[in-house]
Amino acid sequence: ETGVTQSPTHLIKTRGQQVTLRCSSQSGHNTVSWYQQALGQGPQFIFQYYREEENGRGNFPPRFSGLQFPNYSSELNVNALELDDSALYLCATGRDTQYFGPGTRLTVL
Amino acid sequence: AQSVTQPDIHITVSEGASLELRCNYSYGATPYLFWYVQSPGQGLQLLLKYFSGDTLVQGIKGFEAEFKRSQSSFNLRKPSVHWSDAAEYFCAVGSYSGNTPLVFGKGTRLSVIA
Repeated sequence: ETGVTQSPTHLIKTRGQQVTLRCSSQSGHNTVSWYQQALGQGPQFIFQYYREEENGRGNFPPRFSGLQFPNYSSELNVNALELDDSALYLCATGRDTQYFGPGTRLTVL
Repeated sequence: AQSVTQPDIHITVSEGASLELRCNYSYGATPYLFWYVQSPGQGLQLLLKYFSGDTLVQGIKGFEAEFKRSQSSFNLRKPSVHWSDAAEYFCAVGSYSGNTPLVFGKGTRLSVIA
């Protein structure tokens, strides 16, 4: 049990819509990272937040954005959804060692 | 750029048999190395990690891994596999600073047969 929770568990959206995914941790880690895991692939890094500031970004377009709050919970926002955005979205807390939540399964129709 | 290769997409072993999952990495500096396990539809659970020191590291569920710098490898082993070990296994590389994100391999799916 990592103490990392994500919501919602599943959701279905249509192309062009916007979505917000949430992540929280009981550990109080000040670093949170988001990953996208397409079916049959390993997770791909989206971005990382450290003390409420973006601290690194992977090869994802600007329509993927995030926030980290003073309590270190975090949101991932995706605008103008595309079919290829269908994936499992994972958040992880920690720096040297990252602990993952259960993920949010996003399906874009 | 750093990369991780897991050469085996799918491995099937008999329950009670030994297991070795291969992982090779490419990284310019001293790597931090990890193995995670993922059950269907679930998040990633940390099995073990290597930062420095003893190159043979022990993890949860009876798993171990050996870091071999000369071969750029970090293979995962278990002496006796249980049916509950069936899952997807991911090797990942990171760095000491924490600013470098984890880079994952594509995973190895383990099936266990009776």
